[in-house]
Amino acid sequence: EIVLTQSPGTLTLSPGERATLSCRASQSVTDLAWYQQQLGQAPRLLIYSASTRATGIPDRFSGSGSGTDFTLTISRLETEDFAVYYCQQYDRTPQTFGQGTKVEV
Amino acid sequence: QVQMVQSGTEVMRPGASVKISCKASGYMFTRYYIHWVRQAPGQGLEWVGIFNPPGGTTNYAQKFQGRFTMARGTSPDTLYLELGSLRSEDTAVYYCARSGDGSQFLEYWGQGTLVSVSS
Repeated sequence: EIVLTQSPGTLTLSPGERATLSCRASQSVTDLAWYQQQLGQAPRLLIYSASTRATGIPDRFSGSGSGTDFTLTISRLETEDFAVYYCQQYDRTPQTFGQGTKVEV
Repeated sequence: QVQMVQSGTEVMRPGASVKISCKASGYMFTRYYIHWVRQAPGQGLEWVGIFNPPGGTTNYAQKFQGRFTMARGTSPDTLYLELGSLRSEDTAVYYCARSGDGSQFLEYWGQGTLVSVSS
């Protein structure tokens, strides 16, 4: 199965700062998504196909990358952006998730 | 609007079986795949499997094959996940999620069902 490794594990930043989250795949993938999860809530789709924002997602969220290296960037952190973020490959089954990056204040 | 509404918390003994449900609304049920994902307490997300409503075909992560079963129920637009031979390590929140349009990213999620397994 494809292993996704996210870094860093925790990112400590302040509102208004830029966040850069990394996701590295053990094999080349085309179909990669990013999700945000607030404490006690279901995940929310942010990005699919590596760089396409989902419906209703603010443009401060952007995704980039290809092959084995992908990045989620939050250009200016809002208070509601402090959460855990997961990448997911849906290129092949079993679908797999990264272990998550926590963005904290 | 699309909604995925799941059944409530289940508290079970090891070795038992439990069936949880996911009711979809706001779209044509047979047009999209539905996935199950679980999350153990304080842990990350783990893909369980995928269900294709038109034909009822399924595909499971290998570790769940033979013990977990996805099936469409008699209630309209409802999918069930049966968890058999429960173990303490099955304690988790189980989410159903609808696929995207023509692709298998997870666009709409249920609120989650907590299954707690303890003696």
